[in-house]
Amino acid sequence: GQNIDQPTEMTATEGAIVQINCTYQTSGFNGLFWYQQHAGEAPTFLSYNVLDGLEEKGRFSSFLSRSKGYSYLLLKELQMKDSASYLCAVLAGNTPLVFGKGTRLSVIA
Amino acid sequence: GAGVSQSPSNKVTEKGKDVELRCDPISGHTALYWYRQSLGQGLEFLIYFQGNSAPDKSGLPSDRFSAERTGGSVSTLTIQRTQQEDSAVYLCASSSTGTNSPLHFGNGTRLTVT
Repeated sequence: GQNIDQPTEMTATEGAIVQINCTYQTSGFNGLFWYQQHAGEAPTFLSYNVLDGLEEKGRFSSFLSRSKGYSYLLLKELQMKDSASYLCAVLAGNTPLVFGKGTRLSVIA
Repeated sequence: GAGVSQSPSNKVTEKGKDVELRCDPISGHTALYWYRQSLGQGLEFLIYFQGNSAPDKSGLPSDRFSAERTGGSVSTLTIQRTQQEDSAVYLCASSSTGTNSPLHFGNGTRLTVT
C-alpha cells in the first residue's frame, strides 16, 4: 500500500509565500500530482512531477525528491482565492491515483 | 460535453434503499474513475475503468457497491441496501489515456442516507 502524509491545516497571510509539504512511502513510484479543491467543488489539477526537481507554473511551483519520498507545493503572492484544500496524490505501479487527506489552507488579510 | 458531468448533484435516500449515480465523462477519455470523499477525509478510490479492459474493483468497500460503464462512455455506480456510513460525496473523474494523465473531476453527487 501507500502512505501519504501532509499537514491537516495551514494559515498564511495575503501576499506571502506558503509551502505545503507531502511525504509518501510507496514502491513502483510513477509520479506525484497536486490538486486544488475549493469547498464544495471538484478537485482541479495543478501539477505533475515524475522527475526530481522544481516545476514552476506561474505563482505555483511543485518540487519532487524521489529518494526522500518528498514533495512540496509552493504558492507565491498569496491571494484570498487561494484558500482551499490542496491534495497530494501518488501514482505507483499500475494502481490508480492514491490521494492524501489534503491540507486546508486559509489565507488571511 | 465540456467537462465531466454527474447526476444527481444531491441525493437523499432512506437506509436500505438502492441508489444509482451517473457519470458522463469527457468525450474521448478512455479512463474513468469513481472516488468518494467523506467529511474531513481524503479521496477514497472505489473503481477504475480503462478502455475495454476488466475494471479494477479493488477499492469497492463491500459487495453492495457495483459499477458499470456502457459503450466505453457513461458509467453508473450502484449502491444496494444503503447504510448511513455510505453518506459521502461520490466523485467521478476521467482522463485521456491511462493512469499518468491528469484526472478531470465532476462536481460529485452528495449522497445522504437517513
